Amino acid sequence: AQSVTQLDSQVPVFEEAPVELRCNYSSSVSVYLFWYVQYPNQGLQLLLKYLSGSTLVKGINGFEAEFNKSQTSFHLRKPSVHISDTAEYFCAVIPFTGNQFYFGTGTSLTVIP
Amino acid sequence: NAGVMQNPRHLVRRRGQEARLRCSPMKGHSHVYWYRQLPEEGLKFMVYLQKENIIDESGMPKERFSAEFPKEGPSILRIQQVVRGDSAAYFCASSPAGGNTEAFFGQGTRLTVV
Repeated sequence: AQSVTQLDSQVPVFEEAPVELRCNYSSSVSVYLFWYVQYPNQGLQLLLKYLSGSTLVKGINGFEAEFNKSQTSFHLRKPSVHISDTAEYFCAVIPFTGNQFYFGTGTSLTVIP
Repeated sequence: NAGVMQNPRHLVRRRGQEARLRCSPMKGHSHVYWYRQLPEEGLKFMVYLQKENIIDESGMPKERFSAEFPKEGPSILRIQQVVRGDSAAYFCASSPAGGNTEAFFGQGTRLTVV
């Protein structure tokens, strides 16, 4: 079975400050890892994904994430946030041989001017 | 290349009515997935379909819910005799092949049952 835990439900941060959104997962099989962003009343947009190779993954809008297999984590980071980064962020996994995403409950990022 | 198109974007139904949600996958995509997002929760898998076949419906409620993806036309998620608890955002994703690593999501249909 797979599960995804996003440790912070809400993260307020000042504009231009760095931010880290935490994600841990549990799985009995190997998984691929993803971060999605959801703006208000919008669908999910892929930020980045880890399939294989370098454990540091760079995505869109200046975000990056690092896969840590020993800690089963995939934390999302951005060195300097902008007002437009205010959104809901979801971490998700898919088993190598599976068909469905398993999503965390989301982290609401609010960037304060 | 248009993205995954879902319609309607918003749907209001009275208790007991039927809701039909449509999803047109991206061009060239033959795999469709439906997810439900309840308030304050993440997305939960409902069903995975290929053209004319249901591959995995392990996340579908046993009653009142059904899905199809015909040879021609969009995928349809159908909810019969809706109840207040069905109020949620329903998202569709499509991919060119199974495994979902290249999946794209639509903007969702927000169903409100009154």
